[in-house]
Amino acid sequence: TQLLEQSPQFLSIQEGENLTVYCNSSSVFSSLQWYRQEPGEGPVLLVTVVTGGEVKKLKRLTFQFGDARKDSSLHITAAQPGDTGLYLCAGVKGSNYKLTFGKGTLLTVNP
Amino acid sequence: DTEVTQTPKHLVMGMTNKKSLKCEQHMGHRAMYWYKQKAKKPPELMFVYSYEKLSINESVPSRFSPECPNSSLLNLHLHALQPEDSALYLCASSHPGGPEAFFGQGTRLTVV
Repeated sequence: TQLLEQSPQFLSIQEGENLTVYCNSSSVFSSLQWYRQEPGEGPVLLVTVVTGGEVKKLKRLTFQFGDARKDSSLHITAAQPGDTGLYLCAGVKGSNYKLTFGKGTLLTVNP
Repeated sequence: DTEVTQTPKHLVMGMTNKKSLKCEQHMGHRAMYWYKQKAKKPPELMFVYSYEKLSINESVPSRFSPECPNSSLLNLHLHALQPEDSALYLCASSHPGGPEAFFGQGTRLTVV
């Protein structure tokens, strides 16, 4: 059973378009993180959301944590080729150390 | 300094070899992790060390042996691996209880 469901799994868009990636679960998470990973490299932390209903902005990226802390979304405005990569959501339940990953969304932004 | 450093970046080893992967962080994090990642898949947790003690082993085969010599270092000793063990091995660290984990660049391991 996949605790975190990400959608879409693959996304190919043109430069300048907007997109939204979703991360959903039936479980409550104490926090959710979003990472971006390029081929052959380690995941790079983009943001952590902790409070239900929280919205965080990072330049053209907007992250939202659902009110019930079961889901999150990542919205990218005016995508650029440099946004290309694997976007992973990951959650922590309670106070343990296990970071559970979604399957990821592979984004390709074409020039 | 928010860096986790892994060495080597690439490793090719035979099925009878013994090798070690190394990970170092100087962020004062007391939790360190090993993950395994196959192509186009998410990272899978292997081991967690908390305050230099092994706290989680996700039923990893004994041919993988972790070691945490001190709060800054984490090793993964490899022996008698199989070709299906070829993957990107990622080290991460965090404050105990997280939530943010910081990852190294990984070691691309190929078993021949």
